[in-house]
Amino acid sequence: TQLLEQSPQFLSIQEGENLTVYCNSSSVFSSLQWYRQEPGEGPVLLVTVVTGGEVKKLKRLTFQFGDARKDSSLHITAAQPGDTGLYLCAGKLYKLSFGAGTTVTVRA
Amino acid sequence: GAGVSQTPSNKVTEKGKYVELRCDPISGHTALYWYRQSLGQGPEFLIYFQGTGAADDSGLPNDRFFAVRPEGSVSTLKIQRTERGDSAVYLCASSLGQGQGEAFFGQGTRLTVV
Repeated sequence: TQLLEQSPQFLSIQEGENLTVYCNSSSVFSSLQWYRQEPGEGPVLLVTVVTGGEVKKLKRLTFQFGDARKDSSLHITAAQPGDTGLYLCAGKLYKLSFGAGTTVTVRA
Repeated sequence: GAGVSQTPSNKVTEKGKYVELRCDPISGHTALYWYRQSLGQGPEFLIYFQGTGAADDSGLPNDRFFAVRPEGSVSTLKIQRTERGDSAVYLCASSLGQGQGEAFFGQGTRLTVV
């Protein structure tokens, strides 16, 4: 049973379009992290959100943590082919519990 | 090395054989985690070490799986009597301590049981 549910599972868009990935749980986490993983590599941390309602921006990426610290979203503006990858959210208690991931493909 | 190192990067073994997967964490990181990832899925927690002791092994699927970290640094994940369903990428991560700082992942070991 997945502690964190991510949606959609797959997302294919054209370069320049925007996209949003969602991460939902019934559990409250002390923090939530977003990772990006490329084939043959381990996940690489993008951001950690800690405070309910927190919004963090990383260039074209915007991360939001829900007020109740149970859900989060990742929004990418003007997606580029280099944004292609598996995006994972992970909730942290003392260990990281991952969602199933969203495979994002950005077509040139 | 600067990052988490896992060896081998690929391992092909026959059903029923025993395998060992090695993880060298970042120097000074006391927390070490093992995860298993199937194609297109998120990493699934297996076991967490704080120092030499397994603080949480609730993710190990059955008693064929065992992990050690005898000196609080290098860890070995051991799988006995491998089955085809054990085929996956096994990821190791380390962090400064329990709940402290970013967890850094290795590139993983791709295990294929034929």
